[in-house]
Amino acid sequence: DADVTQTPRNRITKTGKRIMLECSQTKGHDRMYWYRQDPGLGLRLIYYSFDVKDINKGEISDGYSVSRQAQAKFSLSLESAIPNQTALYFCATSDPTRPPETQYFGPGTRLLVL
Amino acid sequence: QKEVEQDPGPLSVPEGAIVSLNCTYSNSAFQYFMWYRQYSRKGPELLMYTYSSGNKEDGRFTAQVDKSSKYISLFIRDSQPSDSATYLCAISYTGGGNKLTFGTGTQLKVEL
Repeated sequence: DADVTQTPRNRITKTGKRIMLECSQTKGHDRMYWYRQDPGLGLRLIYYSFDVKDINKGEISDGYSVSRQAQAKFSLSLESAIPNQTALYFCATSDPTRPPETQYFGPGTRLLVL
Repeated sequence: QKEVEQDPGPLSVPEGAIVSLNCTYSNSAFQYFMWYRQYSRKGPELLMYTYSSGNKEDGRFTAQVDKSSKYISLFIRDSQPSDSATYLCAISYTGGGNKLTFGTGTQLKVEL
């Protein structure tokens, strides 16, 4: 079984809809991240959480919110989706006790906002 | 100026060629220099890393860091079709909470 799972894998939604992307991990890591990947722009950090009570904004958090329900679960919400949020979204985890702090990525969610 | 710059490619080479992938960075505080490999429709996976300057070799792959010129490279010898993927450089430093700063990725295709 995969260590980092994301659901759904593909999603089509309409402008203005609220959607949630979910991430679960079995690696036992405290740190979790949400990224989006766009052609020519690479991976950009949306939000990150170093433990259940710690949530931090990344470089492109506007229009997004997150919830850390447990050590193993980290959800990303788009409150009112817009077309320029069409992208590939990745969840990742990391273990800071083992340098370098390798990040382990899920398989991604492909989101299309019409 | 972006903290990490990477030529996006695409780069197409024949099987057996030597491939050179490169990134430049601007923040001299960076300490860890990583290369992630991303196959189509998959998440990135760590390929290899170096700490500070110097070279590190792992099979057909060599990672090189030149901190004086803020330049990092990944060399692939005897490239294979299975090496076809997007390669992302990633850099971090302890003072930055070990968060990774990624390059945009270089798409590589190794053709038979």
